[in-house]
Amino acid sequence: DQQVKQNSPSLSVQEGRISILNCDYTNSMFDYFLWYKKYPAEGPTFLISISSIKDKNEDGRFTVFLNKSAKHLSLHIVPSQPGDSAVYFCAASLTSLWGSWGKLQFGAGTQVVVTP
Amino acid sequence: DTAVSQTPKYLVTQMGNDKSIKCEQNLGHDTMYWYKQDSKKFLKIMFSYNNKELIINETVPNRFSPKSPDKAHLNLHINSLELGDSAVYFCASSPPRNTEAFFGQGTRLTVV
Repeated sequence: DQQVKQNSPSLSVQEGRISILNCDYTNSMFDYFLWYKKYPAEGPTFLISISSIKDKNEDGRFTVFLNKSAKHLSLHIVPSQPGDSAVYFCAASLTSLWGSWGKLQFGAGTQVVVTP
Repeated sequence: DTAVSQTPKYLVTQMGNDKSIKCEQNLGHDTMYWYKQDSKKFLKIMFSYNNKELIINETVPNRFSPKSPDKAHLNLHINSLELGDSAVYFCASSPPRNTEAFFGQGTRLTVV
């Protein structure tokens, strides 16, 4: 069963505009959420995260929003740059259980293409 | 100066063979993982080791056997390879009690 879902397989955005990536989850016990970025033939690289006690976390051009009641999070990239073209994975974790903090449940990913 | 390195990057082998994928991290992390990305691009955890001790085993067939000779290495041995084992396998590591795993570049395994 897929507990983390990214329903948009792809997103195309113009350079300089905002990219908004969405992610939904079903397990209300998840308490930590992450976004990873992946280029072809490389491993995922950590981008930004948010704890369930917060509703927003910002790091430069990247902001993650968490709506716990809706079991929804989103990643905003402003402004989008050509180097942002990659696959973005949403992931969730249940850190309250010993040994499970690195057990990430991933979404299927969203391919972002930033056009000039 | 690679943080998490896997070898080989590509592996093509016949059904029934036994193969190993090696993983090493130089970050000093206590916890290491194996993830599998299948043809539908889903990344799923297979195993987690903390200080050489198995923590997570996600109902993986026992043909898959991880081995951790020390906390910097977590190798994956696969016996009697099947067509369905074709996937990209990612090794990862993380600091103690930290969810932000660092991933290797992946090993694309193709079973023919």
